Amino acid sequence: AQSVTQPDIHITVSEGASLELRCNYSYGATPYLFWYVQSPGQGLQLLLKYFSGDTLVQGIKGFEAEFKRSQSSFNLRKPSVHWSDAAEYFCAVKNTGFQKLVFGTGTRLLVSP
Amino acid sequence: DTGVSQNPRHKITKRGQNVTFRCDPISEHNRLYWYRQTLGQGPEFLTYFQNEAQLEKSRLLSDRFSAERPKGSFSTLEIQRTEQGDSAMYLCASSLETGGLVEQYFGPGTRLTVT
Repeated sequence: AQSVTQPDIHITVSEGASLELRCNYSYGATPYLFWYVQSPGQGLQLLLKYFSGDTLVQGIKGFEAEFKRSQSSFNLRKPSVHWSDAAEYFCAVKNTGFQKLVFGTGTRLLVSP
Repeated sequence: DTGVSQNPRHKITKRGQNVTFRCDPISEHNRLYWYRQTLGQGPEFLTYFQNEAQLEKSRLLSDRFSAERPKGSFSTLEIQRTEQGDSAMYLCASSLETGGLVEQYFGPGTRLTVT
């Protein structure tokens, strides 16, 4: 069965510093991979997605993620964090032929001044 | 395009009562999904519809849960005889099947508290 691991429950980053959120997945083939962000009282918003092609994908709000097959990872990065980036971030995987998304447990990002 | 909407946003009910939630997807989206999110966890898939047909159900969807999408537009999720363990955020999402990698657009959720 598919699974997604986000090893960091909380991360605190200073405003202006770089950010990397880790995501590892368990799946036999190349999955569809996603990063979503959830702010309090808001629904999940898609930051970026990967299926094939260039392993470095660009998303909205200055985020990017890199797919590394050898490490079964899809880490999210941002070069300079803004206070408005404070939120919960979820990595998700989708199996080819099925419609459901399987989410990790999330990483809560705190941004310090 | 006003996005996915869900009503109510919050619901407090007593154990044993029935509750019903509504989801209005983005217009013309033919797929609609329900997920459940408990505190400290990521969303977990419950079920999805293509038009009015319910095509996949999770084992999480016990006999007390029923979902409908009668005209292929809005959907309802009913929980009968609620239990404290049903307390969670219930998320709805919709997508337009185009044959490619489709994005699921999420609503703000309905937070259920069972006392």
